[in-house]
Amino acid sequence: AQTVTQSQPEMSVQEAETVTLSCTYDTSESDYYLFWYKQPPSRQMILVIRQEAYKQQNATENRFSVNFQKAAKSFSLKISDSQLGDAAMYFCAYRSSYDFTSGTYKYIFGTGTRLKVLA
Amino acid sequence: GAGVSQTPSNKVTEKGKYVELRCDPISGHTALYWYRQSLGQGPEFLIYFQGTGAADDSGLPNDRFFAVRPEGSVSTLKIQRTERGDSAVYLCASSLRRARRGQANTGELFFGEGSRLTVL
Repeated sequence: AQTVTQSQPEMSVQEAETVTLSCTYDTSESDYYLFWYKQPPSRQMILVIRQEAYKQQNATENRFSVNFQKAAKSFSLKISDSQLGDAAMYFCAYRSSYDFTSGTYKYIFGTGTRLKVLA
Repeated sequence: GAGVSQTPSNKVTEKGKYVELRCDPISGHTALYWYRQSLGQGPEFLIYFQGTGAADDSGLPNDRFFAVRPEGSVSTLKIQRTERGDSAVYLCASSLRRARRGQANTGELFFGEGSRLTVL
């Protein structure tokens, strides 16, 4: 079974600085997606960035980028020029390849990292 | 609708009572997921619907939990004889199972704001 591990329960960063959130996962599949979701106090999970496993190039979205190391099964999120609005819980998530038995994709989430941004 | 809508936003009930939580997914999304998120934890899978049928209910903790999606759109999560341990945020998410013509399937889940259930 696949697992997702976020070993940093909480991180702090100074406004305008850069912070990296860690995520590791375990799988025997070769075809999968990885995501980072942000969950502010409003509770709604918002997609930050996605990475398809077959793509070697690291995904970037404005101030957000990932370091995807497929062999090491590592998927870290880098936030540059941190802003107060970046403060939230961040969840790393894994989407499995299609399961023909159940007819579904499995999405597995880590336990999250709470990011505090200091003014 | 424009986004995933969940009602109620907050529900307080007494131990032993029955509750229903509703999810209205994004129009056209055939895949619908229910997750449970306890305080300080990540979302835990409960059940997945493809259309009207529950394709995977392996995450339901016991037979007090049940979910339906009779017309392939709105889904209701039903909890009988609630216990204090059921207190959590229940999240609903939807996605495209397969991309439509000319539309990329980005693989992501689109979440609602969740229903916070408190069992006293």
